Amino acid sequence: AQRVTQPEKLLSVFKGAPVELKCNYSYSGSPELFWYVQYSRQRLQLLLRHISRESIKGFTADLNKGETSFHLKKPFAQEEDSAMYYCALSLGGSQGNLIFGKGTKLSVKP
Amino acid sequence: GAGVSQSPSNKVTEKGKDVELRCDPISGHTALYWYRQSLGQGLEFLIYFQGNSAPDKSGLPSDRFSAERTGGSVSTLTIQRTQQEDSAVYLCASSLMRSGYGNTIYFGEGSWLTVV
Repeated sequence: AQRVTQPEKLLSVFKGAPVELKCNYSYSGSPELFWYVQYSRQRLQLLLRHISRESIKGFTADLNKGETSFHLKKPFAQEEDSAMYYCALSLGGSQGNLIFGKGTKLSVKP
Repeated sequence: GAGVSQSPSNKVTEKGKDVELRCDPISGHTALYWYRQSLGQGLEFLIYFQGNSAPDKSGLPSDRFSAERTGGSVSTLTIQRTQQEDSAVYLCASSLMRSGYGNTIYFGEGSWLTVV
């Protein structure tokens, strides 16, 4: 069955420290993976997707098919990075929806 | 419109009553999605529309839940005989085409439903 796992409910780091939010997936097909972010009192929004291989707000994520992972990383965390982060898997094909992990709350302390 | 619009933003209803939640997707977006966001449960997929048809209804939790989309635009999620466990934030999202293949899904701000 398709599944997205985010093992950490809460991740707390100090400003300037590196941060890694873990995401593992289970999918027999060719995965397309995303990270979404929800800042306090704001709507859920796309942060980045693996096919773009981009860096957004200093965040990067690399798809590792061997480890079935798509961890989100940032070398130096900022206070404004504090938010809820969701990893998501697109099933594609005839199924149009995204499957989300349960989310990790990132708290960056000053 | 500028973004996905949902109404009402907040709804408190008595157990056993029916509720309707409305979603106005971004103009021109053919795909529309409903998700439910509960504390500690993340985002639970409910239903997906491509145009007016719903090829994937697999996420609807019970037959008390139904959704329709008319004119390829506005969608309504209806919950009949609400139960306390239905309390959650109901998120609507839309994309130009179905998700994946580089298409971005845009979310609304959600409708916060409380069943008392």
